[in-house]
Amino acid sequence: EAGVAQSPRYKIIEKRQSVAFWCNPISGHATLYWYQQILGQGPKLLIQFQNNGVVDDSQLPKDRFSAERLKGVDSTLKIQPAKLEDSAVYLCASSFRAATNEKLFFGSGTQLSVL
Amino acid sequence: EDQVTQSPEALRLQEGESSSLNCSYTVSGLRGLFWYRQDPGKGPEFLFTLYSAGEEKEKERLKATLTKKESFLHITAPKPEDSATYLCAVQGANYGGATNKLIFGTGTLLAVQP
Repeated sequence: EAGVAQSPRYKIIEKRQSVAFWCNPISGHATLYWYQQILGQGPKLLIQFQNNGVVDDSQLPKDRFSAERLKGVDSTLKIQPAKLEDSAVYLCASSFRAATNEKLFFGSGTQLSVL
Repeated sequence: EDQVTQSPEALRLQEGESSSLNCSYTVSGLRGLFWYRQDPGKGPEFLFTLYSAGEEKEKERLKATLTKKESFLHITAPKPEDSATYLCAVQGANYGGATNKLIFGTGTLLAVQP
């Protein structure tokens, strides 16, 4: 079974520039998550989708971050404009459904450096 | 506010030297406590879910236990391939809606030397 695919693997930008990350979840997984992991910290949920609808975006900095999941499959996370504190690994995860006993499957992430 | 604290931050073991990692949590209505393993440059990989105090789960050299305030990940006779960061996370009952949000700790970096 193919895992969660993310691209790019690495991205270096200057502050105030824009950047976008792409995620393709495991086939058949209705729930998709974007987590932010700052160096030395645990992942923090930014947004959760159920099919193509947003379930939770309470921790998404909406003045600069946006995300979409068109057609309920792959997803894009965008940052515009980027700040130094956005330097982190952005992890995409998926699960079959949104339930406590569902395993989350994570991709390898996109490492973002904002200079 | 829900919180997860893991200790120690880092642990170095000799191959075969058993030990335990600790995860203390504060959550309003625990729905589940999760252990994940994270290798460098990779995303977290699911290990266990525990739902209620007294529950235990095992997988190879790993055994996870749960009390009302903390969870332990016991590693028996570790091997170098067990070296990774081990993350603990909780899911509370009061997040609202259909969110499946996990609150992660900062992890324990385990190094097992041959």
